[in-house]
Amino acid sequence: AQSVTQLGSHVSVSEGALVLLRCNYSSSVPPYLFWYVQYPNQGLQLLLKYTSAATLVKGINGFEAEFKKSETSFHLTKPSAHMRDAAEYFCAVSDRSNDYKLSFGAGTTVTVRA
Amino acid sequence: NAGVTQTPKFRVLKTGQSMTLLCAQDMNHEYMYWYRQDPGMGLRLIHYSVGEGTTAKGEVPDGYNVSRLKKQNFLLGLESAAPSQTSVYFCASSLYGLAGGEFFGPGTRLTVL
Repeated sequence: AQSVTQLGSHVSVSEGALVLLRCNYSSSVPPYLFWYVQYPNQGLQLLLKYTSAATLVKGINGFEAEFKKSETSFHLTKPSAHMRDAAEYFCAVSDRSNDYKLSFGAGTTVTVRA
Repeated sequence: NAGVTQTPKFRVLKTGQSMTLLCAQDMNHEYMYWYRQDPGMGLRLIHYSVGEGTTAKGEVPDGYNVSRLKKQNFLLGLESAAPSQTSVYFCASSLYGLAGGEFFGPGTRLTVL
């Protein structure tokens, strides 16, 4: 069975600073990995996904993530935070052992300081 | 194109009451899902459907029932609500059932007193 651990339930960054959200996964077979964003009172929106192609994945809104198999990690970064990046971010994993259904991490809330 | 819509947006129930949450999608998607979101736990899959007339259990199905009589609708029922079912419920749909291809609804906030 697969699982996801997101390190840090809350992250606070200054506007213009680097955003780094950490995600580690466990999976017995090659995984697909995802980052979703949830703005207040809204549903989830896919930011980016890794599906066994390039290990550095670029997503929407300037975010990117790198798949590191040796570290079982899929950390999300953005070089320069904007106020509009304040949201909750979820890492998720799927693989064929669970019919590709998603397993989500607990989420990381990002606040951006002016 | 409304995407995925959920009805109602908010609801307060007393313990033991029943209710049905409605999810509708207008994208002709085959797959539909019901998740619950609780603080510090991410989203957990309750039930899902791979096509009209089909349903399957997810990670946390106890206390819930679902039906998919029409392709565009996926209903989630609580027969006898319990305080542990206080949560935000999200519906999602996807065309091929591949993770990362889901469209999520805006959510229903349910409180059980």
